[in-house]
Amino acid sequence: GAVVSQHPSWVICKSGTSVKIECRSLDFQATTMFWYRQFPKQSLMLMATSNEGSKATYEQGVEKDKFLINHASLTLSTLTVTSAHPEDSSFYICSARADRGGVYNEQFFGPGTRLTVL
Amino acid sequence: QKEVEQDPGPLSVPEGAIVSLNCTYSNSAFQYFMWYRQYSRKGPELLMYTYSSGNKEDGRFTAQVDKSSKYISLFIRDSQPSDSATYLCAMSASAAGNKLTFGGGTRVLVKP
Repeated sequence: GAVVSQHPSWVICKSGTSVKIECRSLDFQATTMFWYRQFPKQSLMLMATSNEGSKATYEQGVEKDKFLINHASLTLSTLTVTSAHPEDSSFYICSARADRGGVYNEQFFGPGTRLTVL
Repeated sequence: QKEVEQDPGPLSVPEGAIVSLNCTYSNSAFQYFMWYRQYSRKGPELLMYTYSSGNKEDGRFTAQVDKSSKYISLFIRDSQPSDSATYLCAMSASAAGNKLTFGGGTRVLVKP
């Protein structure tokens, strides 16, 4: 099956520091990757869509300068939370999609990264 | 009003019972309907997807879509304790699987 990994699985940082989260598709090439945010007992909210080699498309209300996304290769996308604050504490989940044509192109989700900002 | 509504539960059932989950939505552009299972502190796992209206069965899982009512359902037969998880419905307007709009999730507890 298609496997997506995230690193780190959890991270604790001090307020004002930056944190980088990696998302990798391990056994397929991901033309498109997505970043979601999930608060406790709430659903996933799409933050941005990234295509390899181009700028990410951010959803309304998501600060581009705060959540920097880089999709440098077909197997790696990174999310950097800059100048993190306690309100940025959340569960960040990425997904990757291989554009294979067909009826539906499934997104495969990573295991998520728990960010706690002190 | 949210685009996709889902009862948060928790829904507690005895082992072997049928679990019935549903979502309602407001955007008539949605054509692809998915059900995901998410264990605590893990990413969602796709269980089933359905295109347009109709039923789809896969093992113990049956998904139903009624576009006229903007209502989708997931049934889990012969439920097992390992089915205990949060179930998320998600919808997309395109086959490209671009923007998925998720429901809030229903927490299910199957008691042995």
